[in-house]
Amino acid sequence: AQSVTQLDSQVPVFEEAPVELRCNYSSSVSVYLFWYVQYPNQGLQLLLKYLSGSTLVKGINGFEAEFNKSQTSFHLRKPSVHISDTAEYFCAVSDITGGGNKLTFGTGTQLKVEL
Amino acid sequence: EAQVTQNPRYLITVTGKKLTVTCSQNMNHEYMSWYRQDPGLGLRQIYYSMNVEVTDKGDVPEGYKVSRKEKRNFPLILESPSPNQTSLYFCASSSLVQDSEQFFGPGTRLTVL
Repeated sequence: AQSVTQLDSQVPVFEEAPVELRCNYSSSVSVYLFWYVQYPNQGLQLLLKYLSGSTLVKGINGFEAEFNKSQTSFHLRKPSVHISDTAEYFCAVSDITGGGNKLTFGTGTQLKVEL
Repeated sequence: EAQVTQNPRYLITVTGKKLTVTCSQNMNHEYMSWYRQDPGLGLRQIYYSMNVEVTDKGDVPEGYKVSRKEKRNFPLILESPSPNQTSLYFCASSSLVQDSEQFFGPGTRLTVL
C-alpha cells in the first residue's frame, strides 16, 4: 500500500515570488508520481508526472517537480507565481505493478497567491 | 472533445432516498473509477472498474454501489444515503496502457440532509 503526505495544508505567497509545495510518499514498491491542480469549482487537471528517467520533470504552466528517491519526495516548484495559480494542488502516487491506474492522493495544499 | 461528464453537478437530498450519479466518457477508456473528496482527507477511491462487467472496491466502498454495463458509463448508486456521504464526488477514466493519464469529470457536490 502507498501513502502520500502533503505537509502544508495552506501556502500563502506573493505574486512573482517562488513557491515550493512539498510532497512525501511511502511505498514498498516502485511508483509513478503525479501532481494535479484543482481550480475552484472544477475537476482535477494533470500538472505533471514522473514515470522514469530524468528526476526533474517539467509540467504545464511553468511548474516543475523533482523526484528524490532517497528522500521519497516529489516537491513541486514554480520560480514565479501568478494570481491565476491560486488553486488546490494534490500530489498522488500509483503502483507501477498495478498498471498505474489507481491513484492514492495526498490531502492537498491550498496555494493562495496574493498581490 | 475528449471528456468525462457527470450528472447532476449539484444534488441535495434526504437521508434514505436512493440516488444515482451518472458518469460517462467518450474516450473508449477501459478503466473508470469514483473518488470522493473531503476537506483535509484529499481524494479517496470508492470503486473502480477495469472493463465492462468488471468492478471492484476501492478504499471507501461502504454505502455505495456501481455498475458497468457499457464501456462508456459508470454510474454511482447510493441505495440509502446518509449525511456522512455528503461530499464532492469525482469520476475518472483512463486506458489500461501503463502510465496513461487519468481524466477527471467536473465533480458532483452531494448534500444529504
